[in-house]
Amino acid sequence: EDQVTQSPEALRLQEGESSSLNCSYTVSGLRGLFWYRQDPGKGPEFLFTLYSAGEEKEKERLKATLTKKESFLHITAPKPEDSATYLCAVQASNAGGTSYGKLTFGQGTILTVHP
Amino acid sequence: DTGVSQDPRHKITKRGQNVTFRCDPISEHNRLYWYRQTLGQGPEFLTYFQNEAQLEKSRLLSDRFSAERPKGSFSTLEIQRTEQGDSAMYLCASSLEAAGTQYFGPGTRLLVL
Repeated sequence: EDQVTQSPEALRLQEGESSSLNCSYTVSGLRGLFWYRQDPGKGPEFLFTLYSAGEEKEKERLKATLTKKESFLHITAPKPEDSATYLCAVQASNAGGTSYGKLTFGQGTILTVHP
Repeated sequence: DTGVSQDPRHKITKRGQNVTFRCDPISEHNRLYWYRQTLGQGPEFLTYFQNEAQLEKSRLLSDRFSAERPKGSFSTLEIQRTEQGDSAMYLCASSLEAAGTQYFGPGTRLLVL
């Protein structure tokens, strides 16, 4: 069974204080690892997809990296508007290399950035 | 790009009543997913469609839950005889293909009294 664990559960930062969020996963065959941002009362907003170990993607103050067992979301010089819950999810591929489709999510990391 | 839309956004019902939610995916997307999210947890997979075919249902999904996508466009999720444990945010997502990025709607928040 696919599993995703995120840490820490909550993270409080001062504006400008860089840090990282962790996503550890076990999956039969990884088709893709996804990062989403979720604001209170809203649906998840897509950030990144990573497909293979060593891959990195960046968007503004965020950079996502991937290894064979975990992914990190690095936040550089965060601002209060970066406060949200960050969700990590994996999509498995079957033995034939095609996708099952569904995403398995972690419980999320609640990020609070104080001015 | 109008995004994924869901209706209603909020629903309050009494235990034992039936409720139905609607999801309209991004227009050219042939995959449609339903997830459920409770407070402090990540979304949990319920079921998904490719066009009008329902390809997978979570084994955690009670027989009281049913979903349809009759013409391969919008989808409905019905919960019969609601229970207090059904209170959650119900999220819909769509993707262009099986391996495509899933884009989520704003969700329907259900409260069962």
